[in-house]
Amino acid sequence: EAGVAQSPRYKIIEKRQSVAFWCNPISGHATLYWYQQILGQGPKLLIQFQNNGVVDDSQLPKDRFSAERLKGVDSTLKIQPAKLEDSAVYLCASNNNWGNEQFFGPGTRLTVL
Amino acid sequence: EDKVVQSPLSLVVHEGDTVTLNCSYEVTNFRSLLWYKQEKKAPTFLFMLTSSGIEKKSGRLSSILDKKELSSILNITATQTGDSAIYLCAVPFGNEKLTFGTGTRLTIIP
Repeated sequence: EAGVAQSPRYKIIEKRQSVAFWCNPISGHATLYWYQQILGQGPKLLIQFQNNGVVDDSQLPKDRFSAERLKGVDSTLKIQPAKLEDSAVYLCASNNNWGNEQFFGPGTRLTVL
Repeated sequence: EDKVVQSPLSLVVHEGDTVTLNCSYEVTNFRSLLWYKQEKKAPTFLFMLTSSGIEKKSGRLSSILDKKELSSILNITATQTGDSAIYLCAVPFGNEKLTFGTGTRLTIIP
């Protein structure tokens, strides 16, 4: 069974630029999560999708972050414009039912200069 | 406020030692507690503890849930250099939103 796929693995941009990350969850997993992990901290949930609907985006900075999962499968997370404090690893995870463990992708390390 | 606290923040031991990592939580309606190991980027799942499954064991790793004390411990016996990683504890809140602790960075010295 293929795991959660993410791309790119690394991204370096200058502040005020835009960036987009892509995630393809495990086949059949209805729930998809985007997390932000700043160095030295645990992952923080940004947004949770159930199929193509948003379940929770309470911690997503909506003035600059956006995410979509149009067909209920893969998802994109966008930052526009980026700030220095957005430097972090962005993790995507999925699971097939509430209450089950989440499976994480390899993450994208974003550096904003 | 729902929260998850882990201790210690970091731990350095020699190969072969036994370590105990701690996780405490405050949540309104407890359902489960999860332990993850994070070596490079992606956290990998270790255990899930629930009210009906308060103790789990896999090889040299074991975990116990203490619902009375609102805490869990992760034990690793006969540690190896490959156990060096960040160990994350997480508890689902609300709509299964996982809240993670800051993690414990474990370093095993050969």
